[in-house]
Amino acid sequence: DVKVTQSSRYLVKRTGEKVFLECVQDMDHENMFWYRQDPGLGLRLIYFSYDVKMKEKGDIPEGYSVSREKKERFSLILESASTNQTSMYLCASSSRVGGTDTQYFGPGTRLTVL
Amino acid sequence: AQSVTQLGSHVSVSEGALVLLRCNYSSSVPPYLFWYVQYPNQGLQLLLKYTSAATLVKGINGFEAEFKKSETSFHLTKPSAHMSDAAEYFCAVTSNTNAGKSTFGDGTTLTVKP
Repeated sequence: DVKVTQSSRYLVKRTGEKVFLECVQDMDHENMFWYRQDPGLGLRLIYFSYDVKMKEKGDIPEGYSVSREKKERFSLILESASTNQTSMYLCASSSRVGGTDTQYFGPGTRLTVL
Repeated sequence: AQSVTQLGSHVSVSEGALVLLRCNYSSSVPPYLFWYVQYPNQGLQLLLKYTSAATLVKGINGFEAEFKKSETSFHLTKPSAHMSDAAEYFCAVTSNTNAGKSTFGDGTTLTVKP
């Protein structure tokens, strides 16, 4: 079974702090994704990576950056956390087989910024 | 460009009743369509997917969906709801030209009444 793990289930940070969210997948997937989930807004793509050291901006990249130094690990960084970044963050991975591949999701990190 | 519209953010059915969750898509190229389910405090997991083979797709837990190109729809159904089906459901669209990135709908929360 594919497993996607996220470093924390719940995280509380203060405004202005630098925040790291880590995601690790164990299926040698090329693609990795970071989404933000808010009630009534579905999943919005923050960043996407299709290979090591490669990244693409998603729909809402402002205030976020990412790092992918190893194939299995994809980190989301909030350089200076703000209260409007309080949300559920979901990581996912998939293999690069055109558009047909399933995305496998981690359990999510619920981030609260005070 | 691609988009997904899920009609009805909340659907409530009685246990044993038909479940119908609606999804309409827009895509300029042949789409691949997915339904994911999210149980409370968990990540998303795949229910079923359409990848241009059979238009009627069967998934896990008794769910199925039919791809109707003329109606640009991919509605999710289950003949008889079970209490354990209570969750949030997401429809997603992708394509071969989109590098594996999916566009998700806003989600539909299914409530099952005893």
